[in-house]
Amino acid sequence: DSGVTQTPKHLITATGQRVTLRCSPRSGDLSVYWYQQSLDQGLQFLIQYYNGEERAKGNILERFSAQQFPDLHSELNLSSLELGDSALYFCASSSTGSGYEKLFFGSGTQLSVL
Amino acid sequence: GEDVEQSLFLSVREGDSSVINCTYTDSSSTYLYWYKQEPGAGLQLLTYIFSNMDMKQDQRLTVLLNKKDKHLSLRIADTQTGDSAIYFCAERGSQGNLIFGKGTKLSVKP
Repeated sequence: DSGVTQTPKHLITATGQRVTLRCSPRSGDLSVYWYQQSLDQGLQFLIQYYNGEERAKGNILERFSAQQFPDLHSELNLSSLELGDSALYFCASSSTGSGYEKLFFGSGTQLSVL
Repeated sequence: GEDVEQSLFLSVREGDSSVINCTYTDSSSTYLYWYKQEPGAGLQLLTYIFSNMDMKQDQRLTVLLNKKDKHLSLRIADTQTGDSAIYFCAERGSQGNLIFGKGTKLSVKP
């Protein structure tokens, strides 16, 4: 158990809908990362937050947004969903977000867009 | 751009050594990582190597780094069926995030 909690584990929805994925980092970790894993693209970095502020942005679509709350949990919002958004979404946390320390990954949320 | 390449599949027999290879593009990467993903689980850090090292050994795991060729390898000695998983090579990107390869699926046959 990495200590990173993601909910829900599975999500099935229809095209055009909006969903919210939730992540609770390990106790004491200030930084949260979101990754998207698909068969063709592999693991793609989406966005990183550190202590409530956006720190780095990767290949995140404009239809997607994220935030980190004062209690350090994070939410990833996906809107106007398309079939191609079906993927496994991982959250990871680290203590300082410097990039030099270990990332601890949650078990992921499997999103299926039908 | 930043990119990490690795072969997609590797099949070995139980007891043999497994070698998983990876090439990366960013010569300024200070740390390079190997992560393991078991079915239905997130990624777990296996080991990492600092860029000023050529080799790092950790029990059954040996990491070799060739900075000139930007080549990283992970050797698993005495591979067991429990080692069956997807193994990801990763380098630290310019924004501090990790850039992963697509993963090598290791299948261990009894």
